[in-house]
Amino acid sequence: DAEITQSPRHKITETGRQVTLACHQTWNHNNMFWYRQDLGHGLRLIHYSYGVQDTNKGEVSDGYSVSRSNTEDLPLTLESAASSQTSVYFCASRAGGTDTQYFGPGTRLTVL
Amino acid sequence: GDSVVQTEGQVLPSEGDSLIVNCSYETTQYPSLFWYVQYPGEGPQLHLKAMKANDKGRNKGFEAMYRKETTSFHLEKDSVQESDSAVYFCALRRFYGGSQGNLIFGKGTKLSVKP
Repeated sequence: DAEITQSPRHKITETGRQVTLACHQTWNHNNMFWYRQDLGHGLRLIHYSYGVQDTNKGEVSDGYSVSRSNTEDLPLTLESAASSQTSVYFCASRAGGTDTQYFGPGTRLTVL
Repeated sequence: GDSVVQTEGQVLPSEGDSLIVNCSYETTQYPSLFWYVQYPGEGPQLHLKAMKANDKGRNKGFEAMYRKETTSFHLEKDSVQESDSAVYFCALRRFYGGSQGNLIFGKGTKLSVKP
């Protein structure tokens, strides 16, 4: 079955380190998204991509970057991790022209 | 800008109670409306949707009516069950002519049904 996966599922890192969270989908969806979920803030969009080589900033993009070299993957990089980036991160994908967005299982990141 | 405001915090009905979770939206365009549900330890998943005014989304006994005149999309159920316990997100997506449009989420409402 087609799916969307995230790795790692849990990560503990130190302030200042670079961290990359992986997202992989097998539906061949053009649209991919990264969100963070924090208590009291709901789901906030970090970055998104509408296709290969396309990336766009969301509402909370500072300190994060993404790249889209193929259809299946959208890795999220924290260039220099900060304690404020401790959160649960969700990747999602959606086929162009459709309404249903599919979310991965999430990565819980702790920055000490 | 676009925004979604929903019942804040936690709702604690008993099993068999009726439920309304309020959702109001604001946008300059004509959106599609959604409820996503998130069970513990999982990512959100689409629960129900409505594409235009007066459409009613339905799933697992839940309903939500797209009301353009009051800009609302309240989630309702006649009799909740313990298995309905989850976090519910209201969301909108508007279309910019040929553009994609991204989902705008409310902050989520945690439903905890007491047995």
